[in-house]
Amino acid sequence: ETGVTQSPTHLIKTRGQQVTLRCSSQSGHNTVSWYQQALGQGPQFIFQYYREEENGRGNFPPRFSGLQFPNYSSELNVNALELDDSALYLCASSPTPGQGGLDEQYFGPGTRLTVT
Amino acid sequence: SQQGEEDPQALSIQEGENATMNCSYKTSINNLQWYRQNSGRGLVHLILIRSNEREKHSGRLRVTLDTSKKSSSLLITASRAADTASYFCATDATQAGTALIFGKGTTLSVSS
Repeated sequence: ETGVTQSPTHLIKTRGQQVTLRCSSQSGHNTVSWYQQALGQGPQFIFQYYREEENGRGNFPPRFSGLQFPNYSSELNVNALELDDSALYLCASSPTPGQGGLDEQYFGPGTRLTVT
Repeated sequence: SQQGEEDPQALSIQEGENATMNCSYKTSINNLQWYRQNSGRGLVHLILIRSNEREKHSGRLRVTLDTSKKSSSLLITASRAADTASYFCATDATQAGTALIFGKGTTLSVSS
């Protein structure tokens, strides 16, 4: 297992609500990326944070936002939840942001979000 | 959109047999990685191959990369029941910056 932890493990929310997911990166890692994995699909990149700044974003609307803290832990916030937001949310940490080539990513166990 | 596509989508074999999974991608890459996922949990990194490498080994795993065909294969030799999982290839396209782009995965089932 990696040293990346995520909380909570499972979450059930109602459409229109807001949710915050949390991730603690592996010791020594200053970069955190978030991915959304719908059932039966591969993970899709949401965004990356490096040294508390957003450092790349995938094709997700602005209601998906994030934060990275001085200890390099991170939050993913999703506003105005929609049914299609139901998915496994994965965070991954790495020692570098990966310009010129991404190295091994250390994934957490994920948060399963269900929107009803 | 997804950069990589794994083939086959599902694979069932007996313990001791070899399992081969293929991955195709669309754009130029820096690196290609393979990950394993058990029962909808977190992904575990298996192996990374750089764009200037053609083959790499790690234990029972062998990965090949053909950048001219934009394809890669993962071979698991002497499969075990514990290898049952979903396997994903992931690329970091040279134009995509900091994102890993995953395919839809191959679901491997190894029966004893």
